[in-house]
Amino acid sequence: ETGVTQTPRHLVMGMTNKKSLKCEQHLGHNAMYWYKQSAKKPLELMFVYNFKEQTENNSVPSRFSPECPNSSHLFLHLHTLQPEDSALYLCASSQATGVETQYFGPGTRLLVL
Amino acid sequence: KQEVTQIPAALSVPEGENLVLNCSFTDSAIYNLQWFRQDPGKGLTSLLLIQSSQREQTSGRLNASLDKSSGRSTLYIAASQPGDSATYLCAVTGRRALTFGSGTRLQVQP
Repeated sequence: ETGVTQTPRHLVMGMTNKKSLKCEQHLGHNAMYWYKQSAKKPLELMFVYNFKEQTENNSVPSRFSPECPNSSHLFLHLHTLQPEDSALYLCASSQATGVETQYFGPGTRLLVL
Repeated sequence: KQEVTQIPAALSVPEGENLVLNCSFTDSAIYNLQWFRQDPGKGLTSLLLIQSSQREQTSGRLNASLDKSSGRSTLYIAASQPGDSATYLCAVTGRRALTFGSGTRLQVQP
């Protein structure tokens, strides 16, 4: 098991719901990431945080809102999602951005009805 | 824009065979290349990381090579086992955090 945990592991929500995904890393890392893995598509980077500051937003729609209160926690707030947003959302962390190995959590499987 | 391609998309082999998974990338300005393993419904496990200045890395039965100038990497798995069955993902770190390929789904038959 890695030192990155994600909750919930599974989530079903309607298009009008608001929910949040949580990621926590116990590795003392300074960088955290959100990725989206859709069926039959490569993993896509969504957001990068380094020392709690967002350093990258990969043109993600505003219905996804990340929050990084400290270097150990990362949230992804979801509202008014579409069915095509159904996917596996993976969180990762690394000591620093760029050249370091990233450690991934188990993911949250999201289904939007 | 960096693009990563993995061939083949799926592979089925009998137990004990040696096999090679291929990865190619379009922009050679990378910091490193990583190979990951993903089991169904699970997250990713890092297998090997090759820095841009390195040519290969080895871990147990796994050997990964990197030819940055030609934009290619291979993952060699020796004496494959049923427990090696998983999806193998290649990813490069460049101007973006990580750009992933679509993966090779490997099935090792007992």
